[in-house]
Amino acid sequence: KAGVTQTPRYLIKTRGQQVTLSCSPISGHRSVSWYQQTPGQGLQFLFEYFSETQRNKGNFPGRFSGRQFSNSRSEMNVSTLELGDSALYLCASRWTEASSTDTQYFGPGTRLTVL
Amino acid sequence: AQKVTQAQTEISVVEKEDVTLDCVYETRDTTYYLFWYKQPPSGELVFLIRRNSFDEQNEISGRYSWNFQKSTSSFNFTITASQVVDSAVYFCALRSEGDSWGKLQFGAGTQVVVTP
Repeated sequence: KAGVTQTPRYLIKTRGQQVTLSCSPISGHRSVSWYQQTPGQGLQFLFEYFSETQRNKGNFPGRFSGRQFSNSRSEMNVSTLELGDSALYLCASRWTEASSTDTQYFGPGTRLTVL
Repeated sequence: AQKVTQAQTEISVVEKEDVTLDCVYETRDTTYYLFWYKQPPSGELVFLIRRNSFDEQNEISGRYSWNFQKSTSSFNFTITASQVVDSAVYFCALRSEGDSWGKLQFGAGTQVVVTP
């Protein structure tokens, strides 16, 4: 089975711009979650989507948004980029049918640099 | 609130030595799940092991083993006979049943450096 894929792998943007990142889950996985990783704050949960609905959200400003499509693929968008948004953005997918066994599997990440 | 503490920032060992990574967690939920992930320099988080709160049996999987103790809220991870390819950042993570929809709470990570 193919793993979680994320595109693009690298992005360079300037302050004030917006960016869209894409994530394709493992086939059969219906949930997609997003995490931000920075040297200062570590790995922080952004949000999770299941059946095209946001089910949980972390403590991030409204500039961070996402969506999920009917094929479970997900996108996240960051508007009005700030320097502090420079980070590695990781996407994870899981099956969600049984909490006692399902595990989040991560993609390679998108490294965003804001200049 | 959930919290995961990895007190070791960096561990340096020589190849073939054993490495034990410490993880202490906090949660008010009685059902929860613990994970260890590895992050090599490429950046991808690689799933290693998981343990459910209702299963305290400790196991060995190849060169990996773990020690889960609910009494001390610890979930330590050991790499036996380390290899250079084990050099990475290792993260302990917690997911609570009560925190719906799968949010993982990560520790700060432990950098493992294995030298030949």
